[in-house]
Amino acid sequence: AQSVTQLGSHVSVSEGALVLLRCNYSSSVPPYLFWYVQYPNQGLQLLLKYTSAATLVKGINGFEAEFKKSETSFHLTKPSAHMSDAAEYFCAVENRDDKIIFGKGTRLHILP
Amino acid sequence: SAVISQKPSRDICQRGTSLTIQCQVDSQVTMMFWYRQQPGQSLTLIATANQGSEATYESGFVIDKFPISRPNLTFSTLTVSNMSPEDSSIYLCSVGSGGLNEQYFGPGTRLTVT
Repeated sequence: AQSVTQLGSHVSVSEGALVLLRCNYSSSVPPYLFWYVQYPNQGLQLLLKYTSAATLVKGINGFEAEFKKSETSFHLTKPSAHMSDAAEYFCAVENRDDKIIFGKGTRLHILP
Repeated sequence: SAVISQKPSRDICQRGTSLTIQCQVDSQVTMMFWYRQQPGQSLTLIATANQGSEATYESGFVIDKFPISRPNLTFSTLTVSNMSPEDSSIYLCSVGSGGLNEQYFGPGTRLTVT
């Protein structure tokens, strides 16, 4: 069964610093992978998705993620954190039934 | 992308009662899903709402507790029945993108059971 594991339930970075949120996947077939963001008291918004077209995926708000098959990873990065990036981030994988399985989430804190 | 609305946005209910949550989409969609997000937790899929047939429930969720309707391609309801404080969660509906391998989420319904 496909699954994702997010390392670190909370990550704190200083404003302007690199953001790195880690996600590893488990899948027996090439996966479809996603990063979603949830701002406080809001629903989920798709940041980016990997569907095997390109290993480096660029998303909204300056985020990008790189699919690394050898490491079974799909880490999310942003070169320079902004206060508005404070939110909960979910890595997710789509299984064969078109269902999306979410990781436990990582709460990103931005320090002034 | 689809625009999804949910009603109510939040509610406080007494134990033993039931609440029906509505999900409306601005376009016809084949796949609709219902998720639960318990406090401080990730999202867990409750069921897939199928138009014209019974919903498909995930392990741990049953129709008697979470009956779902899907009368057409733009609307679905989820009922949380005989509520207990453990049902306090955010309930989200989502829709598939019809081949784009994406799901779009509604804003959620924040339910508190006292």
